[in-house]
Amino acid sequence: AQSVTQLGSHVSVSEGALVLLRCNYSSSVPPYLFWYVQYPNQGLQLLLKYTTGATLVKGINGFEAEFKKSETSFHLTKPSAHMSDAAEYFCAVSDRAFGNEKLTFGTGTRLTIIP
Amino acid sequence: GAVVSQHPSWVICKSGTSVKIECRSLDFQATTMFWYRQFPKQSLMLMATSNEGSKATYEQGVEKDKFLINHASLTLSTLTVTSAHPEDSSFYICSGQGVYNEQFFGPGTRLTVL
Repeated sequence: AQSVTQLGSHVSVSEGALVLLRCNYSSSVPPYLFWYVQYPNQGLQLLLKYTTGATLVKGINGFEAEFKKSETSFHLTKPSAHMSDAAEYFCAVSDRAFGNEKLTFGTGTRLTIIP
Repeated sequence: GAVVSQHPSWVICKSGTSVKIECRSLDFQATTMFWYRQFPKQSLMLMATSNEGSKATYEQGVEKDKFLINHASLTLSTLTVTSAHPEDSSFYICSGQGVYNEQFFGPGTRLTVL
């Protein structure tokens, strides 16, 4: 079974500062890992994903994440925060059994940007 | 990316009534669709996996007779909340699985049961 732990339910950073959202996973098989963003009253939008290959993954809106197997981590970063980055962020791991990509989500991190 | 729509986006109903939520993949065929529910300020919890033309597979603890799922075509899945009660009030989100097994999420449906 897979699980995801997101450290910090709320993170606040100043505009222009580094964004770091933490995600650790547990998986019995090589994982597929995802970061999604959710704006108020909206569905989820995929920021980036790791499947195989390069461990540093670049996504949309300037975000990137690095898969570190030794640390079972997949932290999300962005060098310079923008006001529009304020949202809820979810890390997820995929269960690839039976060809269905069932996703297990973390509890989410609410990112607040301070002007 | 591929687009998934949900209808309605917001529904208010009286306790005891049934509500149907539609999930459509607009520009791709989704053999598999997933239904999630999300309580305020919480994460998404998978309710069920539906495959076109077959019965849905429900997650543990989800009442299949209360949450009826129909996946009649490759572009449409419906979730019917039967005899809704206030505790069923939640944000319901569907996703369609694309050719490469990636999931595309709908915008969600907010259900409020009075």
